[in-house]
Order: sequence, then C-alpha cells, then structure tokens
Amino acid sequence: KNEVEQSPQNLTAQEGEFITINCSYSVGISALHWLQQHPGGGIVSLFMLSSGKKKHGRLIATINIQEKHSSLHITASHPRDSAVYICALHAGGTSYGKLTFGQGTILTVHP
Amino acid sequence: DAGVTQSPTHLIKTRGQQVTLRCSPKSGHDTVSWYQQALGQGPQFIFQYYEEEERQRGNFPDRFSGHQFPNYSSELNVNALLLGDSALYLCASSLPGRGLIPDYEQYFGPGTRLTVT
Repeated sequence: KNEVEQSPQNLTAQEGEFITINCSYSVGISALHWLQQHPGGGIVSLFMLSSGKKKHGRLIATINIQEKHSSLHITASHPRDSAVYICALHAGGTSYGKLTFGQGTILTVHP
Repeated sequence: DAGVTQSPTHLIKTRGQQVTLRCSPKSGHDTVSWYQQALGQGPQFIFQYYEEEERQRGNFPDRFSGHQFPNYSSELNVNALLLGDSALYLCASSLPGRGLIPDYEQYFGPGTRLTVT
C-alpha cells in the first residue's frame, strides 16, 4: 500500500463546478504539499500546510492531522485549471527535504 | 530572479550510455533534491544534496549518483542506462533550514525529459 493515496485518479468537470481532490496518507508528517503539474512537466507548489486550512484565490486546502487526510478544493473551476494535481508529504523525523508523492489526479475542466 | 533551471530540456540516449543532468537552484537556496517521474506516475525521490554532500537517498541503485558544487548547483549522473530510466527528471531547491528544522518549501525546475532507446 502506498504511503500517499489520492482520489479520484481522473476528474472531469464543467466550467464553474466546485472540485474536490482528496489525499490520504499512512505516516506521520511534518508538512503536506499540494502541487500542480501542467503538460510539459513543470511543477508549481500551490500550498504547503501542516494544520488547518489555507486559501489562495479560488483554491482552498485543508488538512486533518488526526485523520491523516487532506483535501484540495477549487471553486468556480475554469479550463485553465486543467492539470495534474499532486499531493506530497514530508514524513516526520529527520527526513529533511524528501518528499513522498501521490500518483496525482488528472483534472480536465471543459468550457 | 531566475527560478530553478535545468539543462538540457530533452535528451535521447542509448542503453548502456551515461548521462549527466544539471540543475541550478533558485537564488539563495542551498539544498537541491532530485526526483524521477515515470510517465503517468508521481515523482520518486532520488537523493538530496546539502553543503556539497548527499544528505538523504531514496531507493535508487548506485548507477544514480550526484554532485553539488560550491555555488549550490547540482548534477545528476546515471551510468549504464536502462530503458526503464526513461523519465522526467525534476530538480527542486529549498531555502536553508532554521537550525535543525528544515525549511520544507520546495521550488521545482521544469525538468529534463530523458529517453533511453
């Protein structure tokens, strides 16, 4: 079993819909990242969080440490949000910068 | 301020050959991590360099080696290439940690697409 599991693996939405991507993990963590990857490969960090909730524009990320679960929400989705969204975590202890990644969620938003 | 840069962008090699990929971290960053991302998969941690030393390593064979230079730039070397080494290789840099507490924010480069034929 992977340490980081994302769901769904593929997500198709119509423009304007509210989107939720889930991430569950099985290890203690120091921090969790939500990343966005567009075709061509470049990865952009959206959020890094270790507790609670963060909001940036139409994006909201939440984390529940006790339940080992995080969600990424996109409000009023737009075709330009189409990308792969990846959950990645820093395990606790002396793991320094090592990130463990989920397999990613492919999001396609249609006009 | 340039972000993380990687070179080359694309590379085609033959089985058995050796390859060197390069990464320049974001200005002010001293820690460089390398990741391998196979098609359709999430990235996998290869290793991390800090103060010119390999600080942590993932489950990759010794064919994968690296180096960090005094200016914090880094190289990833892969010897005896296999078809399965075909992947996107990502470099990420991060700020210095505060004492024993590492700074977790990582900035990714655009990646090098390696194809082994």
